[in-house]
Amino acid sequence: AQSVTQLDSQVPVFEEAPVELRCNYSSSVSVYLFWYVQYPNQGLQLLLKYLSGSTLVESINGFEAEFNKSQTSFHLRKPSVHISDTAEYFCAVINSGGYQKVTFGIGTKLQVIP
Amino acid sequence: KAGVTQTPRYLIKTRGQQVTLSCSPISGHRSVSWYQQTPGQGLQFLFEYFSETQRNKGNFPGRFSGRQFSNSRSEMNVSTLELGDSALYLCASSPGTGNYNEQFFGPGTRLTVL
Repeated sequence: AQSVTQLDSQVPVFEEAPVELRCNYSSSVSVYLFWYVQYPNQGLQLLLKYLSGSTLVESINGFEAEFNKSQTSFHLRKPSVHISDTAEYFCAVINSGGYQKVTFGIGTKLQVIP
Repeated sequence: KAGVTQTPRYLIKTRGQQVTLSCSPISGHRSVSWYQQTPGQGLQFLFEYFSETQRNKGNFPGRFSGRQFSNSRSEMNVSTLELGDSALYLCASSPGTGNYNEQFFGPGTRLTVL
């Protein structure tokens, strides 16, 4: 069985400061990893994903995440946050041999302070 | 393409009642997954339907059931509602074929059980 741990339930950060949201996973097989973002009163949107290849993946709005197999981590980072980044972020994992059975972390609320 | 739609957006029920939620996937998508989101538990996978068949199931009691129609629309039913069933119920659609497909989430149905 797979599991995901998001170590921080809330992360306050000042605007234009860097941020890292931590995610660790556990699985006995190869996995695909994802970060989703949820804005208030909306569903989840895929932010970025790691399926294979380069361990560093980037989103169109400046976020990046690095897959670290030895540390079983997939931390999300952004060098300079904006007010509009205030949202809840979910890390998720799927076993690479499975069908859509996604395991989500509990979520991290990013609060950007003006 | 229209996105994933869920109806109704809000529901208030009392304990012991039953409720049916509906999800219309993106046109052409054959897989629909359902999740329960609560502040304490994060997103919990309920079940996934593909071509009218349940393909995956989470660890929820039998009071939670679902079905999928030939047009890929899906319904989720919860019988004998309990206070703890109050949550945001999200559905996600994907093409459903191949080893991995990106899931597209609807805005959710917020269920309140009094």
